[in-house]
Amino acid sequence: GDSVTQMEGPVTLSEEAFLTINCTYTATGYPSLFWYVQYPGEGLQLLLKATKADDKGSNKGFEATYRKETTSFHLEKGSVQVSDSAVYFCALTRGQGGKLIFGQGTELSVKP
Amino acid sequence: SQTIHQWPATLVQPVGSPLSLECTVEGTSNPNLYWYRQAAGRGLQLLFYSVGIGQISSEVPQNLSASRPQDRQFILSSKKLLLSDSGFYLCAWSVGARTGELFFGEGSRLTVL
Repeated sequence: GDSVTQMEGPVTLSEEAFLTINCTYTATGYPSLFWYVQYPGEGLQLLLKATKADDKGSNKGFEATYRKETTSFHLEKGSVQVSDSAVYFCALTRGQGGKLIFGQGTELSVKP
Repeated sequence: SQTIHQWPATLVQPVGSPLSLECTVEGTSNPNLYWYRQAAGRGLQLLFYSVGIGQISSEVPQNLSASRPQDRQFILSSKKLLLSDSGFYLCAWSVGARTGELFFGEGSRLTVL
């Protein structure tokens, strides 16, 4: 079945460091790919998305490119801030009523 | 604008007791509705989803059930809680025809003792 695998956390970085969180997926067909973020004590919110191969999603300085050849959707940010500390979830959907399949989440902690 | 409300925010229940978590959505009609569970240190698992009143699809066999008595109301229930039911439960909605963009509630933390 469809699945999403993320790099394990926690990831601890200093402020202004470069961030990469790896995400790979397994799915038939052409899924849409997403990154969601969960700040402490809150629900999830959509960070960015890409709906077809080679699309780049971007928001709040974060970027991810849909790579079909490597089945990946890695999240990057050039300079992280303390306020970026959160859990990041990679997810995919193939339609099916809008159901999302999530990865296990990667906790990011940014120190001043 | 659309909003989603989920309650209670925190719940501590003994093993064997019943459960009812409620979720309501405002500002939209005929949304798709979802219940996810986030166990400690693990990702999100889809438990149930609904595309309309009275229409419930279960993703995994378990001790829980869901109901949708009204268009914008989604309820997660159990008759007898197990220790393994502990976790963070998230309700979400989406616009039916669009895929993948879910809007989540703030979650309900359930601890079963």
